[in-house]
Amino acid sequence: AQSVTQLDSQVPVFEEAPVELRCNYSSSVSVYLFWYVQYPNQGLQLLLKYLSGSTLVKGINGFEAEFNKSQTSFHLRKPSVHISDTAEYFCAVRGITGTYKYIFGTGTRLKVLA
Amino acid sequence: EADIYQTPRYLVIGTGKKITLECSQTMGHDKMYWYQQDPGMELHLIHYSYGVNSTEKGDLSSESTVSRIRTEHFPLTLESARPSHTSQYLCASTGETQYFGPGTRLLVL
Repeated sequence: AQSVTQLDSQVPVFEEAPVELRCNYSSSVSVYLFWYVQYPNQGLQLLLKYLSGSTLVKGINGFEAEFNKSQTSFHLRKPSVHISDTAEYFCAVRGITGTYKYIFGTGTRLKVLA
Repeated sequence: EADIYQTPRYLVIGTGKKITLECSQTMGHDKMYWYQQDPGMELHLIHYSYGVNSTEKGDLSSESTVSRIRTEHFPLTLESARPSHTSQYLCASTGETQYFGPGTRLLVL
């Protein structure tokens, strides 16, 4: 079984500042990792994913994340945020083997301030 | 752009009514899911399907039911809506990655 922890429920940051949203996971098997973004009254949109290969993954809208197996982390970063990045961000994992269930974190609300 | 659709997008209905939330995808994915999400909260898996005629209950107990008669279609039904069913319902399908529909926001009066 897997679990996901997003320690920060809310992250306020000024426009053009860098941001890091933290995600830690636990799993008894190897995992695939995902970050999704959710804008108000919408579904979840895939930002980026780690399946294999390079541990630094680049996604849409200038976001990137780094898979750290030893620390079981998959933190999301952006060097300079915009007002339009204000949204809810969800980290998710899925075991490479076993069921196709996705386990989601509780989400981090990113609020970009002018 | 993921091709997964949900209707209606918004629904306000009275207690006791039967409702069906539609979900369809054109990607040919075998695996489909329903999540329930209260505003600003985490997602809870309520149903999933790994293919036609295959449905399973998820981790969160739900009074809803689902069917999977066609690969592309995964409707969710509430036989008798109650105010406690007020929530957002998200449908998803999975190939290599899980893609989400836009959601149905349900309000039961």
